[in-house]
Amino acid sequence: NAGVTQTPKFQVLKTGQSMTLQCAQDMNHNSMYWYRQDPGMGLRLIYYSASEGTTDKGEVPNGYNVSRLNKREFSLRLESAAPSQTSVYFCASSPRWQLRPQHFGDGTRLSIL
Amino acid sequence: DAKTTQPPSMDCAEGRAANLPCNHSTISGNEYVYWYRQIHSQGPQYIIHGLKNNETNEMASLIITEDRKSSTLILPHATLRDTAVYYCIAASGGGGKLIFGQGTELSVKP
Repeated sequence: NAGVTQTPKFQVLKTGQSMTLQCAQDMNHNSMYWYRQDPGMGLRLIYYSASEGTTDKGEVPNGYNVSRLNKREFSLRLESAAPSQTSVYFCASSPRWQLRPQHFGDGTRLSIL
Repeated sequence: DAKTTQPPSMDCAEGRAANLPCNHSTISGNEYVYWYRQIHSQGPQYIIHGLKNNETNEMASLIITEDRKSSTLILPHATLRDTAVYYCIAASGGGGKLIFGQGTELSVKP
């Protein structure tokens, strides 16, 4: 089925470790997004890519980096994981920048000890 | 983004239409109305969006009043799997920011 695929689904890290969350969409969407969702906090935008070749900071970019590898793929990297980054991470996409996200991945549940 | 107001909860019988209202009286001319839902412990799910005209897709219909100050999301034949919190937002321009308010907790009952 068409959609947004995130890997991994679950991950446990130790403080200071690094990892990359992968996201791919097969709908030929121009724009892609990374969010985190914490209990009682709603969705918070980490980084976004309005189109291939561009990335910008969202509301909570500190401690993260992103790469828009091509039109399909948008990865999120934690360089030195901290317990405060324990969260559920969602990748999303939209056909164009002017529209809010229309497809979401199933999420990555990340725990940092 | 314009402020939206939704009832905190609603019940619907399985198989019946669920009509979820949203008030956005301060919406501006270029703001779209979007509907999302989130089932407990799952990720957000986009449902539908519209600007002026009524819209329909495989999941739902969106009815926007002529003055655009309110809208109704219609799930034509609600199932137990439609039990979720439904969020209405009014937003324009670019940006991935999604600020969900309290939403409406829809309970579909057998």
